[in-house]
Amino acid sequence: DAKTTQPNSMESNEEEPVHLPCNHSTISGTDYIHWYRQLPSQGPEYVIHGLTSNVNNRMASLAIAEDRKSSTLILHRATLRDAAVYYCIRNNNAGNMLTFGGGTRLMVKP
Amino acid sequence: GAVVSQHPSWVICKSGTSVKIECRSLDFQATTMFWYRQFPKQSLMLMATSNEGSKATYEQGVEKDKFLINHASLTLSTLTVTSAHPEDSSFYICSAIDSGGAWGYTFGSGTRLTVV
Repeated sequence: DAKTTQPNSMESNEEEPVHLPCNHSTISGTDYIHWYRQLPSQGPEYVIHGLTSNVNNRMASLAIAEDRKSSTLILHRATLRDAAVYYCIRNNNAGNMLTFGGGTRLMVKP
Repeated sequence: GAVVSQHPSWVICKSGTSVKIECRSLDFQATTMFWYRQFPKQSLMLMATSNEGSKATYEQGVEKDKFLINHASLTLSTLTVTSAHPEDSSFYICSAIDSGGAWGYTFGSGTRLTVV
């Protein structure tokens, strides 16, 4: 049980921002929110993670709701290379496995 | 950043033969590695957790005698699919955690296994 809920798919236009939502309403206080993405025929790639505060890195931004029951991954300017399946995962960073849900398939239109 | 090398990237084998997949952490030591399997259009499913120097822990429904895992060093784990059958055809992916404390799970690029 991945314990996160994401839309199956989303579409975006190239060069526009993309907001990928994730619901994790039963998240515990010690669980981090991780985002990974998987390009076709490749292993997953780390995108970003956070606990309570919003996070920014060179790939994306992560906005975490104040109650931590949901979060949004923000790609500021989608490119064709961002077309992938994006997975939102809860994990307590204690070294146990990552449990993958269905993820969101992002399609980017030129 | 941390790199996990997985080899081979694809393999085709005949039914009944065995195939070995290697997963190496190139620039860090990994006490724990994970093996996943992914069927087309589906998400990753954990098969087993591999710990250096000890027996792997298999998920329910995964046959340990069919999917042999060896984690003999801090940088290498292998998955051997024994007596492969067409239904074992899948995308196999390994993941490793840096034992040195650097955060993150790094994934290999995956191995596409086709059993004919």
